[in-house]
Amino acid sequence: AQSVTQLDSQVPVFEEAPVELRCNYSSSVSVYLFWYVQYPNQGLQLLLKYLSGSTLVESINGFEAEFNKSQTSFHLRKPSVHISDTAEYFCAVTSGISSGSARQLTFGSGTQLTVLP
Amino acid sequence: EPEVTQTPSHQVTQMGQEVILRCVPISNHLYFYWYRQILGQKVEFLVSFYNNEISEKSEIFDDQFSVERPDGSNFTLKIRSTKLEDSAMYFCASSNTGGRGGYTFGSGTRLTVV
Repeated sequence: AQSVTQLDSQVPVFEEAPVELRCNYSSSVSVYLFWYVQYPNQGLQLLLKYLSGSTLVESINGFEAEFNKSQTSFHLRKPSVHISDTAEYFCAVTSGISSGSARQLTFGSGTQLTVLP
Repeated sequence: EPEVTQTPSHQVTQMGQEVILRCVPISNHLYFYWYRQILGQKVEFLVSFYNNEISEKSEIFDDQFSVERPDGSNFTLKIRSTKLEDSAMYFCASSNTGGRGGYTFGSGTRLTVV
């Protein structure tokens, strides 16, 4: 079984400050990790993903996340946040992805990032 | 950019009624999913679907729930006899690789059972 823990339910931060949203996972097999963002009254948008290779992955809007296998973590970071980054962020994990297998995503409980002016 | 389309965006139904939530996945995707999010809680997996059959389902997905791909474009979730606790946002998702490239989610249907 796999699970995801997001330690912080709310993270307030001032504009242009750095932020880190924490995510830890547990799984008995190799994992694939994702961060999704949900803006108010909208669906879930894929922010970035780790499948294999480089442990540091980046998104187009300045976020990055680092896969740390020894610490079973996939924390999301941004060096300087904007008001428009205010949203709920979900970490998710799946495992055993293979052709012919529609594996489920397991989500964390989410972190509400609020960027203050 | 291709989208997953869900209709309706909001549905209100009386307890005990049947509801059908509709989704149009991305056209070349082969894997389909339903998730739900009760207000203030985490996103929960309901069911995945591939090759015209259910791949996985969670404990939530009991006999009251069913899924169907009635034609080449739609993917539906039916709740036979709704309960108050079925009130939630329901998200449809699709992928072309079983999830390896990430899943594309629709904007959701907010179901309110009264």
